[in-house]
Amino acid sequence: QQPVQSPQAVILREGEDAVINCSSSKALYSVHWYRQKHGEAPVFLMILLKGGEQKGHDKISASFNEKKQQSSLYLTASQLSYSGTYFCGTEIVGSNYGQNFVFGPGTRLSVLP
Amino acid sequence: ETGVTQTPRHLVMGMTNKKSLKCEQHLGHNAMYWYKQSAKKPLELMFVYSLEERVENNSVPSRFSPECPNSSHLFLHLHTLQPEDSALYLCASSQETPYGGERNEQFFGPGTRLTVL
Repeated sequence: QQPVQSPQAVILREGEDAVINCSSSKALYSVHWYRQKHGEAPVFLMILLKGGEQKGHDKISASFNEKKQQSSLYLTASQLSYSGTYFCGTEIVGSNYGQNFVFGPGTRLSVLP
Repeated sequence: ETGVTQTPRHLVMGMTNKKSLKCEQHLGHNAMYWYKQSAKKPLELMFVYSLEERVENNSVPSRFSPECPNSSHLFLHLHTLQPEDSALYLCASSQETPYGGERNEQFFGPGTRLTVL
């Protein structure tokens, strides 16, 4: 039930755009996005809820296709500070509260000057 | 102190030792989590406490024992660990809606880097 993330890794130049995808084989309540820089704790970016509600930072853009159980994170005009590993966390419909939240394997993003 | 703190930051222990990891959140949240992060696997949810009651045990080996004495403190007691238990152990907290509802954003601590010899 672990979600799949793609690509596994991506290298960008400053100012370029990137899309990170997250997909699940299960129906989802929500998708959460976090970024973790090397040697640091994961930091919350956004939550996308079933029904269209979003919670998160204004500068982050993402989408959630409930029918396809997929989410995409859009990073535009990338900056050096965007470098890190991006994790999606999925909240699965039908499981109890304690067992329904699973993180994906992560996408490593490197932004070069 | 602000946010989520964890102690110690680094821990080296033998397989026969007993040690404890501590987590404290200063955010007034009502749910706390233990995660394991290793090179081979992504963030693995180990335990969840919501309103100080355990609501999750993800088939974690019994050599890991959590304790949540109040909503601000969380411990992970370790005994007779194996070398494969070496990993970064992250604590997180969030403010959850009682009786279910969608999960909210989690705030992570800096982690404890555990090495089992």
